[in-house]
Amino acid sequence: AQSVTQLDSQVPVFEEAPVELRCNYSSSVSVYLFWYVQYPNQGLQLLLKYLSGSTLVKGINGFEAEFNKSQTSFHLRKPSVHISDTAEYFCAVRQGAQKLVFGQGTRLTINP
Amino acid sequence: IAGITQAPTSQILAAGRRMTLRCTQDMRHNAMYWYRQDLGLGLRLIHYSNTAGTTGKGEVPDGYSVSRANTDDFPLTLASAVPSQTSVYFCASSDGGNTEAFFGQGTRLTVV
Repeated sequence: AQSVTQLDSQVPVFEEAPVELRCNYSSSVSVYLFWYVQYPNQGLQLLLKYLSGSTLVKGINGFEAEFNKSQTSFHLRKPSVHISDTAEYFCAVRQGAQKLVFGQGTRLTINP
Repeated sequence: IAGITQAPTSQILAAGRRMTLRCTQDMRHNAMYWYRQDLGLGLRLIHYSNTAGTTGKGEVPDGYSVSRANTDDFPLTLASAVPSQTSVYFCASSDGGNTEAFFGQGTRLTVV
């Protein structure tokens, strides 16, 4: 069964610093990959997705992620974070028509 | 566009009581899902439905049941609630195997 591992449960960074949130998945077979963001007391909102094509995917709010098939990774990055980026971030994977499987989440805290 | 509507937004329930969480989508998506979100565990799939009239078990189905009588509605029922079912429940839908899932705002359930 497909699984997703987010390597950091919490990531504190200073405002305007770069950030990388790490995500690895278990299968090297063709997959679709997603990053979602959850602001406090809200539902999940899609940040970006990788379906095929270019391995560098750009999303909303200045985030981007790179699909690395050989390392089965899909790390999320932002060159300069803002206080408003404080949220929980979830990596998810779908293999074909199978169910969407989520990682445990990474809580990003931006300090002034 | 409403997207996905969940009701109620929050509920306190006595142990042993029966409870149905409602979920309605207006996007005509084929697939619908119920997840529970618990601290440190991310989102775990309870049940899913790939199309109206069919349902399947997810990762943590015990104590829950679902039905999919039509495309729009996907209610989740707790037959006899227990405190371990205290959680935030999210309903989601998607339009196919390679697309993202859209989420409702969640139902916060406390079983006492």
